[in-house]
Amino acid sequence: QVQMVESGGGAVQPGRSLRLSCVASGFTFSSYAIHWVRQAPGRGLEWVAVTSYDGSNKFYADSVKGRFTISRDNSKNTVFLEMSSLRPEDTAVYYCARDRSNSYHFISYYFEYWGHGTLATVSS
Amino acid sequence: DIQMTQSPSSLSASVGDRVTITCRASQGIRNNLGWYQQKPGKAPQRLIYGATNLQSGVPSRFSGSGYGTEFSLTISSLQPEDFATYYCLQHYNYPPTFGQGTKVEIK
Repeated sequence: QVQMVESGGGAVQPGRSLRLSCVASGFTFSSYAIHWVRQAPGRGLEWVAVTSYDGSNKFYADSVKGRFTISRDNSKNTVFLEMSSLRPEDTAVYYCARDRSNSYHFISYYFEYWGHGTLATVSS
Repeated sequence: DIQMTQSPSSLSASVGDRVTITCRASQGIRNNLGWYQQKPGKAPQRLIYGATNLQSGVPSRFSGSGYGTEFSLTISSLQPEDFATYYCLQHYNYPPTFGQGTKVEIK
């Protein structure tokens, strides 16, 4: 069965960095785009970033562009989210999610499978 | 960005009730709409894709309808395990955007 497990969350001060990881199993990892979606405490869901199946295409929400970097290592079935210049408003549970589409040329932006999430807290 | 507006923001209902949640898009999104259920402390779980298609394993009491700008999620007979927050997602236009959520509470 499909499993996605995030790690790397924690408490950091504003302006510092944090690196999240997402390890996937149960499917052909190298065939799917992977997303990060976040949820601030008591708030709704916000898409953050996506990497295409091979890492050649990456897209970001305006709120994190220039500060966050998504990457992947298909040999380890792992996606990363490098978060820098963190702000208090980045405090959230970060979920990785698999795209529905396994077409190499199309990202559906429909999130079919989700991990359990990892909490990143930015506070002085 | 496309704005997704859910209504109501919350509702109280009893076991066995029929419940309908509405999602309105600020512009047409064809049928590129999904519905998710989220319980406290848990990740969202997919319910519906393509506006009307039930994901594998989801009980048949859940159904989705709509096209273009108006969509709805209906639970035909609310069960105790259905008390949760529900979100719609448009994935027609970049960036993907969610509704603000509808919390279904026990009356």
